[in-house]
Amino acid sequence: QQQVKQSPQSLIVQKGGISIINCAYENTAFDYFPWYQQFPGKGPALLIAIRPDVSEKKEGRFTISFNKSAKQFSLHIMDSQPGDSATYFCAASRGYSTLTFGKGTMLLVSP
Amino acid sequence: GAVVSQHPSRVICKSGTSVKIECRSLDFQATTMFWYRQFPKQSLMLMATSNEGSKATYEQGVEKDKFLINHASLTLSTLTVTSAHPEDSSFYICSARVGDNSPLHFGNGTRLTVT
Repeated sequence: QQQVKQSPQSLIVQKGGISIINCAYENTAFDYFPWYQQFPGKGPALLIAIRPDVSEKKEGRFTISFNKSAKQFSLHIMDSQPGDSATYFCAASRGYSTLTFGKGTMLLVSP
Repeated sequence: GAVVSQHPSRVICKSGTSVKIECRSLDFQATTMFWYRQFPKQSLMLMATSNEGSKATYEQGVEKDKFLINHASLTLSTLTVTSAHPEDSSFYICSARVGDNSPLHFGNGTRLTVT
């Protein structure tokens, strides 16, 4: 079964710290790996995405690190802010086909 | 950027009644839209893929007669929860792509409460 395993389930980080969320996938056919950010009562919003031809992608304070051989990818949030407190979902797909989501990580950035 | 609008954002209905949720792509045409269901503190579960002008494709375990999907135009898909029961209470989210090779964008969801 196609799965994306996400950890940790929840995370508390102090303001200014680095938040790190990890995901692992099984299906080697996956070649698109987005991260979504979801605030309570809202739909997920695309945050950043990566394809396996690069090992890292950075957009502002958000960085995806990708390890193809280990079939793992992670989201790093630098200088974490209280406004970053949300639930983060990793996902994977083959091309832009149906996404397989991780179970989510609830991030709380303490002031 | 691509905007997906969902309406209503919240709805409360009584058991046995039907509820319709609308999903619109505001600034692009979407031949395909996707409907997800999300329980509290859980991940998104794909319910069905809505195809403009044809029948929706339902995921395993999703009752097509209970969750009616209509995709009558390139900018509108509707999900009707028929004969709703309290266990249907959930957060329903639609999504769409600008084109086949583009990222998925989500609406803001509809919180359904069945009393």
